[in-house]
Amino acid sequence: AQSVTQLGSHVSVSEGALVLLRCNYSSSVPPYLFWYVQYPNQGLQLLLKYTTGATLVKGINGFEAEFKKSETSFHLTKPSAHMSDAAEYFCAVSDRNNDMRFGAGTRLTVKP
Amino acid sequence: NAGVTQTPKFRVLKTGQSMTLLCAQDMNHEYMYWYRQDPGMGLRLIHYSVGEGTTAKGEVPDGYNVSRLKKQNFLLGLESAAPSQTSVYFCASRRVAPNTGELFFGEGSRLTVL
Repeated sequence: AQSVTQLGSHVSVSEGALVLLRCNYSSSVPPYLFWYVQYPNQGLQLLLKYTTGATLVKGINGFEAEFKKSETSFHLTKPSAHMSDAAEYFCAVSDRNNDMRFGAGTRLTVKP
Repeated sequence: NAGVTQTPKFRVLKTGQSMTLLCAQDMNHEYMYWYRQDPGMGLRLIHYSVGEGTTAKGEVPDGYNVSRLKKQNFLLGLESAAPSQTSVYFCASRRVAPNTGELFFGEGSRLTVL
């Protein structure tokens, strides 16, 4: 079965600084990859996804991620952090059928 | 447009009690899922359903049962609640085709078992 590892359970950045959240996956088939965001006391919302085609994908709120097959990675970045980006972020992998597996999550704190 | 709705949103149970969480979606999605979220463990799949009348086990199915009698509803049952089942439960759904894999989530149900 596929799996996801998110490096760093907590990441803290200053407002305006680069955001980098790391995700590595394991999958025996070409995967679908996702980043979801969860704000306090809410469900998960899709930030962006990779299915096929261009390996650099852009999502909402200025986030983007790059699928690197050779590194089995799908890291999430944003050039300039905003206070409203403070949330928990989950990387997920799907085998294109029934199963989607999530990482443990990374909590992003943005300091003024 | 309601999307995915979970009820109840909060519940406190005593050990040994039973309860059912209801998930309803109005997007005509074929697939529905129940996850639990625990600190430091992300979301873990409990059970899922690929269509009306069908269910399957996920990563952590023990202690839970599910039913999908109607396409729009997916019920999660705890027959004899245990403190280890204290968690936040999320329901999600997705369509079959075109399959982009994206899940649509409810807002969660926080369950405490004393």
